[in-house]
Amino acid sequence: GNSVTQMEGPVTLSEEAFLTINCTYTATGYPSLFWYVQYPGEGLQLLLKATKADDKGSNKGFEATYRKETTSFHLEKGSVQVSDSAVYFCALSDTSGTYKYIFGTGTRLKVLA
Amino acid sequence: SAVISQKPSRDICQRGTSLTIQCQVDSQVTMMFWYRQQPGQSLTLIATANQGSEATYESGFVIDKFPISRPNLTFSTLTVSNMSPEDSSIYLCSVEDNTQGLYFGPGTRLTVT
Repeated sequence: GNSVTQMEGPVTLSEEAFLTINCTYTATGYPSLFWYVQYPGEGLQLLLKATKADDKGSNKGFEATYRKETTSFHLEKGSVQVSDSAVYFCALSDTSGTYKYIFGTGTRLKVLA
Repeated sequence: SAVISQKPSRDICQRGTSLTIQCQVDSQVTMMFWYRQQPGQSLTLIATANQGSEATYESGFVIDKFPISRPNLTFSTLTVSNMSPEDSSIYLCSVEDNTQGLYFGPGTRLTVT
């Protein structure tokens, strides 16, 4: 079945450091891929998405490229801020039309001033 | 983008009791989804709620434990029945945008003592 694997956290970085959070997936067909962010005490928000191979999703300085050859969708940001501290979830959408989303276990990011 | 509200935002309940969570969307949607996020874990889909029909439950979730109502295209409720400490979780309501993925409500943080 479909699955998403993301790197375990927590990830602790200093402000302005480079961020990478790894995400790999297993899926039949061609799923859409997403990154969601959950700030403390809030629900999940869509951060970015990509719907086909080689697409790059970007938002708020974050980027992720849909790599079919490596079945990966790694999240990157060149310079993190304290306000980026949150839990980040990688997800894919089932392409069978069942409207099912599969989420990774989440990676907690803590950015220190 | 859809705006989703949930009530209550949090609650502490005694075992054996039931809690009904309300979800309100600011636009009409065909399907609404209920997720559970257990402490430190990822999201698990409980059920999909369609207006005018019975909810569709995922493996491991049953209607007697998690009855769902969907009286119209903007509202749904999830009841957690006969609660035990294992039901302590964040419960999230969500809807899907065809192009943007899932939108989530802020969640209901439930603690069962």
